[in-house]
Order: sequence, then structure tokens, then C-alpha cells
Amino acid sequence: KAGVTQTPRYLIKTRGQQVTLSCSPISGHRSVSWYQQTPGQGLQFLFEYFSETQRNKGNFPGRFSGRQFSNSRSEMNVSTLELGDSALYLCASSLVSLSSYEQYFGPGTRLTVT
Amino acid sequence: AQKITQTQPGMFVQEKEAVTLDCTYDTSDPSYGLFWYKQPSSGEMIFLIYQGSYDQQNATEGRYSLNFQKARKSANLVISASQLGDSAMYFCAMRDESTGGFKTIFGAGTRLFVKA
Repeated sequence: KAGVTQTPRYLIKTRGQQVTLSCSPISGHRSVSWYQQTPGQGLQFLFEYFSETQRNKGNFPGRFSGRQFSNSRSEMNVSTLELGDSALYLCASSLVSLSSYEQYFGPGTRLTVT
Repeated sequence: AQKITQTQPGMFVQEKEAVTLDCTYDTSDPSYGLFWYKQPSSGEMIFLIYQGSYDQQNATEGRYSLNFQKARKSANLVISASQLGDSAMYFCAMRDESTGGFKTIFGAGTRLFVKA
């Protein structure tokens, strides 16, 4: 079974631009979560999507948004990029069931804002 | 508010010895899950072990065991027989399981160095 895939793996953008990152979950997984990892703030939860609806949200400004498609693929968008948005963005997918608890992470997209 | 604390920024262990990575948590939710993840230098997050708040026994997964002390709000990871490949960043994490969803908060991490 293929794992979680994220594209692109690396990205360089300029301050003020916007960026879209993509995440394809493991087949059958309907929950997709996004995390930002930086040396200063560590791993922080951005949001979670389940069945095309945002189910949970972290404490990030409105410049960070996401969506999920009917095939469970998810995208996150960051508008008006700031230098502080440079980070590793991790996507995780989960099988939603009474006994499931594990999140499977993708390799991440490393975003550099210059 | 939920909080995860990992007080050891770095740890050294001799190959083949056991090591304990500390984790304390704070939550007022009655139902929660505790996790440990490994992040090698390549960046991917690897799930190691899970402990539910209502689980009576400590979780074990191969060389990994979770020392769960609910009254102390601690969830330490024990790695037995350390291997060179265990050198990585280790994160303790917690998820509120009373509201549904997979919102997870992470500790700052502990970097483990295994010496030959």
C-alpha cells in the first residue's frame, strides 16, 4: 500500500507570494491533518480535514487555509508569505474508525521564503 | 489547555543499553491518547507507540515500551537494547480523544545519540 505523498518536496518562494501544497493520503484514509515544523516553534497543528470538512483547527492566522477533495486528497494554501512561514510542512492521514489512533505522516514539503 | 513537556533536549546512550526519554503532559480531558514518534534526519515522522488514557497496562511495541503513570501525568518512552539506527529526534505527543478528530500537540522533542 502506498504511503502518504506530498508534493512538491521542496519549494522556494518570495515574501508576499502565495503557495499551495498538496497531500495524497493512504488509500482509504479519510482524515488528513497538516502540521508546521520550525526550529523555533517545533511541531504545530494547522488543521484537520475529514470528509471534505475542516474538523479541527490550530492557532494560525487566516493566511493559512486548506481544503479536501472528494478523493480525500488535501491541499493547504498560504497567502502573502512571510519569512517566518519557512518551515517543513507535514501532512498526516488517518483511518477513521473506533479502534484507529495512528497517524501516518508524509515526507513533508520544505518551504523556504526569501 | 493541553501541554506536552519534554525536558531533555539531548540524550546520549551506549549501543545495546536501555534509555528512557521523559515526557510529562497536562490536560483536563478525561479521554486522551499519548504517542511517541521518531524523526530521523531525513524528516519523516515514524509512529512508535500509543497509550490510551484508559489503558490499564503499559503499551509495548518491540524494543519500545511506554511507562505510563497517570497520576503523575507522565508517559516516558523506554528503548531497550539501543541500536545506532535509533539516533534521531523523538517526540512525545497527545491527542484529545473526547471530541473526535486527530488534532495532536507535540512536545519540543529529545534528540537521542547512540554511541558505538
